[in-house]
Amino acid sequence: RKEVEQDPGPFNVPEGATVAFNCTYSNSASQSFFWYRQDCRKEPKLLMSVYSSGNEDGRFTAQLNRASQYISLLIRDSKLSDSATYLCVVTGSARQLTFGSGTQLTVLP
Amino acid sequence: DTGVSQDPRHKITKRGQNVTFRCDPISEHNRLYWYRQTLGQGPEFLTYFQNEAQLEKSRLLSDRFSAERPKGSFSTLEIQRTEQGDSAMYLCASSGGLRRASSYNEQFFGPGTRLTVL
Repeated sequence: RKEVEQDPGPFNVPEGATVAFNCTYSNSASQSFFWYRQDCRKEPKLLMSVYSSGNEDGRFTAQLNRASQYISLLIRDSKLSDSATYLCVVTGSARQLTFGSGTQLTVLP
Repeated sequence: DTGVSQDPRHKITKRGQNVTFRCDPISEHNRLYWYRQTLGQGPEFLTYFQNEAQLEKSRLLSDRFSAERPKGSFSTLEIQRTEQGDSAMYLCASSGGLRRASSYNEQFFGPGTRLTVL
């Protein structure tokens, strides 16, 4: 079983749609949680950190449920520029990032 | 450009050859990571340095792989006797710096070195 599991998609949604990505992780000792975005043939870039209290950054909302070991990302009013692969990421005590396989999103005009 | 840089960006080699990649982290960062990414997968952790000390190595890092960070600044990743299964994107990331900075733990990635083993 992979440490971080994501639905690979692809998700094809029209502009303006709301889309949600889910992720589960297996290591209950995981300490930090993130969503990274990766454009085609580019390096991953941090989109946002994820906290138990939930956090919002503009059109993006992330949630963490430690009891269920579940992380989510909600994108509202999706834009063409949101098309990318979204990577769910957790860290352990050694600080290395453990990535899911990514969920591919295509926003259609 | 003060981001993470990697060299070369692309490397094509024949099976059995040795290759070496270089990573220059963000200058004030004391932590440096190497990851490997294959098509359709997320990056996988290979190894981690704090300053010049290599503190963690993944089981993915076979004895054909070696990484160094001799002066706590740039790092090199060498693969000996390359195999076709080594074909991947090799990503370097760095983090650390001023503890008060909100981005202290954020890892910033370089553009990667794409290795193709023929």
